[in-house]
Amino acid sequence: VQLVQSGGGLVQPGGSLRLSCAASGFSLSDHFMDWARQAPGKGLEWVGRSRNKANSYSTEYAASVKGRFSISRDESKNSLDLQMNSLKTEDTAVYYCVRVYGRAFEIWGQGTMVTVSS
Amino acid sequence: DIVMTQTPLSSPVTLGQPASISCRSSQSLVHSDGNTYLSWLQQRPGQPPRLLIYKISNRFSGVPDRFSGSGAGTDFTLKISGVEAEDVGVYYCMQATQFPLTFGQGTQVEIK
Repeated sequence: VQLVQSGGGLVQPGGSLRLSCAASGFSLSDHFMDWARQAPGKGLEWVGRSRNKANSYSTEYAASVKGRFSISRDESKNSLDLQMNSLKTEDTAVYYCVRVYGRAFEIWGQGTMVTVSS
Repeated sequence: DIVMTQTPLSSPVTLGQPASISCRSSQSLVHSDGNTYLSWLQQRPGQPPRLLIYKISNRFSGVPDRFSGSGAGTDFTLKISGVEAEDVGVYYCMQATQFPLTFGQGTQVEIK
């Protein structure tokens, strides 16, 4: 059971980036999945949630990213995506996808670095 | 938003000695379903965080029994009964009772 992340990199302010999180060993559709981030040298910040298929993959977002970020799923690839638009320098961080169980952050991806800079 | 406040922010500990981290929330973490969704995470240097404790006091699979959680309402504690070298890292409390989910600032545990 693991989460393998891809995407990330350097992007200019105002640009877009898409992160992916591929699950192995379990079906993503059964689980709530979250994204969290960690700015360099800083603590953890929750980004958003995608509920499971039984809950219609409904979403929640932190105020700091609402309207700019969106979470989606690709059932055929058993993956979770984070589409990030209108990126700001303060979005620079390591982004983690996380499997949620009983409202606990049970399994974490390895993280992927996003740098927003001109 | 619920603010999570951890103390201390740094905890130098002698190997084999106990360590304790406090976490206080700005409002009760008791959910309408009766559960309290307070977790503790450990982040070793260069690693993603790892779940240690969920719902105040439940150890996650594979977590050594030297880690224990306690508390209720707005005051919670993580205890390490005897610190080992592999316990070095930053510890975060986290609430999942209410959106937005929030974390404490983190407590650095280091060996004296």
